[in-house]
Amino acid sequence: KAGVTQTPRYLIKTRGQQVTLSCSPISGHRSVSWYQQTPGQGLQFLFEYFSETQRNKGNFPGRFSGRQFSNSRSEMNVSTLELGDSALYLCASSSGGTGNTGELFFGEGSRLTVL
Amino acid sequence: AQKVTQAQTEISVVEKEDVTLDCVYETRDTTYYLFWYKQPPSGELVFLIRRNSFDEQNEISGRYSWNFQKSTSSFNFTITASQVVDSAVYFCALSEFPGGYNKLIFGAGTRLAVHP
Repeated sequence: KAGVTQTPRYLIKTRGQQVTLSCSPISGHRSVSWYQQTPGQGLQFLFEYFSETQRNKGNFPGRFSGRQFSNSRSEMNVSTLELGDSALYLCASSSGGTGNTGELFFGEGSRLTVL
Repeated sequence: AQKVTQAQTEISVVEKEDVTLDCVYETRDTTYYLFWYKQPPSGELVFLIRRNSFDEQNEISGRYSWNFQKSTSSFNFTITASQVVDSAVYFCALSEFPGGYNKLIFGAGTRLAVHP
């Protein structure tokens, strides 16, 4: 079974630009969650999508947005990039059922550097 | 507000030693889930265990064991006879139930280094 695939793995942007990150979940999984990992703030929840609907949202500004497609693939977008957005962005998939709550399968992440 | 504290930033042990990673949590919810995840040097977080707040039974899986004590709001993780392959960052996490779904509140993590 293929794991969670995130693209791109590495990218460099400058302040003010925008970026789109992509995540393909494990086949059959309907939930995709996004997390930001930084040395200072640690792992922070961004949002979760289940069956194309945002099911939960973290405390991030509106510059951070996401969506999920009918094939469960997900994208997240960060507009007007700031230096503090430099981070490892992790995507996690799960079946989405309450019986599997929190049992997440993570991708390797997309490392974003903002200059 | 929910919070997870892992007071141990780094732990260094020699192979075959037992090691316990501490986790203390805060929540106003009466029902919740607790988790442990492992992040090896490769970077991918790996799920280890989920425990719901109704179940205070300790759990053992091979060399791994978990001690959940609601009275002290702790969910500690012990590795028996540690091995070099156990070297990783370990995260404790909390999720409210119901409604939390996959919104996990993570602790800062404990970096475990196991030396030969």
